Amino acid sequence: DADVTQTPRNRITKTGKRIMLECSQTKGHDRMYWYRQDPGLGLQLIYYSFDVKDINKGEISDGYSVSRQAQAKFSLSLESAIPNQTALYFCATSESGQGYNEQFFGPGTRLTVL
Amino acid sequence: QQQVKQSPQSLIVQKGGISIINCAYENTAFDYFPWYQQFPGKGPALLIAIRPDVSEKKEGRFTISFNKSAKQFSLHIMDSQPGDSATYFCAARTPLGAGSYQLTFGKGTKLSVIP
Repeated sequence: DADVTQTPRNRITKTGKRIMLECSQTKGHDRMYWYRQDPGLGLQLIYYSFDVKDINKGEISDGYSVSRQAQAKFSLSLESAIPNQTALYFCATSESGQGYNEQFFGPGTRLTVL
Repeated sequence: QQQVKQSPQSLIVQKGGISIINCAYENTAFDYFPWYQQFPGKGPALLIAIRPDVSEKKEGRFTISFNKSAKQFSLHIMDSQPGDSATYFCAARTPLGAGSYQLTFGKGTKLSVIP
């Protein structure tokens, strides 16, 4: 199932280039997240959005920006890519409400900055 | 500052054995403790989660043990199978107020189950 999709799946770019990673979801969730995964470091939260008009910085937002174009779309931009932004990037979504609301992850985008 | 410490970094277990992954935390504001499973080339997926007022939760071969006083929790995989080979992440949820939450992840444990 492709409830959370990410494009592109792989991207190689050069230092200084601007790039955008896109995330779309068909789950109808109002909350969306961007994470970065580096080997041996787990997942670190970059930005999150609880609705279209709500954008919040996570642990490692420097060098990144986001746009919530619609409830179903959340994009991550690197204005001027640098080599230490080479990583695996995941988008996730969740419902709001009581209890533990599972985060559903997309398949990831592997980004390489040369 | 790492708020959730996970060990070991990697684990090799024979088929049929018990896999144990441990996590420790300091922040007493955490209010939910999920475990995520990630296969190569895939995003993480929720495996099992526990609230801090419960000492144990079992789902099939997977059990979370939670020790609130020690601020530790662990994942036990009974009768481990080669299909369980994956990376496992523990996590902890922080309430941010107004119904908002944030997950903090451990660094992950790569489990290999050998036949």
